[in-house]
Amino acid sequence: EVQVVESGGGLVQPGGSLRLSCAASGFTFSVFWMSWARQAPGKGLEWVANIKEDGSEKYYVDSVKGRFTISRDNAKKSLYLQMNNLRAEDTAVYYCARVEGYCSSTSCYKYFDYWGQGTLVTVSS
Amino acid sequence: EIVMTQSPATLSVSPGERATLSCRASQSVSSNLAWYQHKPGQAPRLLIYDASTRATGIPARFSGSGSGTEFTLTISSLQSEDFAVYYCQQYDNWPLYTFGQGTKLEI
Repeated sequence: EVQVVESGGGLVQPGGSLRLSCAASGFTFSVFWMSWARQAPGKGLEWVANIKEDGSEKYYVDSVKGRFTISRDNAKKSLYLQMNNLRAEDTAVYYCARVEGYCSSTSCYKYFDYWGQGTLVTVSS
Repeated sequence: EIVMTQSPATLSVSPGERATLSCRASQSVSSNLAWYQHKPGQAPRLLIYDASTRATGIPARFSGSGSGTEFTLTISSLQSEDFAVYYCQQYDNWPLYTFGQGTKLEI
């Protein structure tokens, strides 16, 4: 059974840092792109970051560029999100998701096929 | 950035009725669109990808249609477990994704 389980959320002051983890099981982690998404209180889903199978490509939503870093350890089947200089607007439930789909000769078309239940990050003084 | 707009924001229906949810893209996304179901405290669940293909294990009462800029998710006969928030997501601009703001399906 495919599972992804997030951890590491908590309460942090503005300007602080936090590292989220996502433990994967039930599939060959090293052959899938992975993503982080989030949902702020009372808001909808927002994609945050993507990372390629081997970690060589990373992409971010504009609002977190320069502050968040996505990474992975394929040997440990784990995905990470290092969050620095946190702001109140980063308060959200953060979800880890497996990325599935296909690539043509010119582009890729991939969606999220499995998600975790999320971990809550609260940025407040 | 491709903006995804869902309507209505809230849809009130009764069990056994048909529900039709809409999603519009600010520019063509071809058929590169997914639908997700999200219940409070749970993991979001993939329902539909490539605009009309049901994901593994999704009941046949869920169907997706559309291409380009206009998309529809139809639930043919609502069950009690279907009351949730539904999101569309474009992946035509992969690896950059955008979601719609969601439609809450309520009794």
